[in-house]
Amino acid sequence: EAQVTQNPRYLITVTGKKLTVTCSQNMNHEYMSWYRQDPGLGLRQIYYSMNVEVTDKGDVPEGYKVSRKEKRNFPLILESPSPNQTSLYFCASSPTPTGRRSPLHFGNGTRLTVT
Amino acid sequence: GDSVTQMEGPVTLSEEAFLTINCTYTATGYPSLFWYVQYPGEGLQLLLKATKADDKGSNKGFEATYRKETTSFHLEKGSVQVSDSAVYFCALHGSSNTGKLIFGQGTTLQVKP
Repeated sequence: EAQVTQNPRYLITVTGKKLTVTCSQNMNHEYMSWYRQDPGLGLRQIYYSMNVEVTDKGDVPEGYKVSRKEKRNFPLILESPSPNQTSLYFCASSPTPTGRRSPLHFGNGTRLTVT
Repeated sequence: GDSVTQMEGPVTLSEEAFLTINCTYTATGYPSLFWYVQYPGEGLQLLLKATKADDKGSNKGFEATYRKETTSFHLEKGSVQVSDSAVYFCALHGSSNTGKLIFGQGTTLQVKP
């Protein structure tokens, strides 16, 4: 089954404790992206990757890092989480970065709480 | 910059009622427009899309028409079911080459039996 898999689904942590949210897709997609979803704000892009070893900042990259060492994986790293990063996070992928022809496929989300 | 505005929710309807969720956008050029749906505990799924003016996207009884003159992409369904209860997001892909989607804030729909 074609899918985007995120782990964990739920995570509660404390301020400053480094964490990684994993994302993997089995569709051989070149393009991957991370979004955060906050009430009243919709989804906002954090980082994206056009292909292996090619990553760039989205609209809200502060406090996050990503890497793309393999085509299928795109982990999101919070080196020193803070309470304002409490949010619902989504990983997404598509065959190409052009939304017109390649709608995004989303994972089921990771709900992160930072205390 | 590009933006999407959706009607405030939540929207509560009885089963078989008519649904409209308003969506308007601001963008340069000719964006592609999308509706995504998020069922409880799940990720977003593409519901329908339209890539040029006057296109009508449709899926599962839902429809939306790309109206460039009014910069709108309203979602409609003639007869909603309890299973349609979800959060609906309007989104656009504009001139950016980053693959980024610009989302509205989402509208929660609750359908009661």
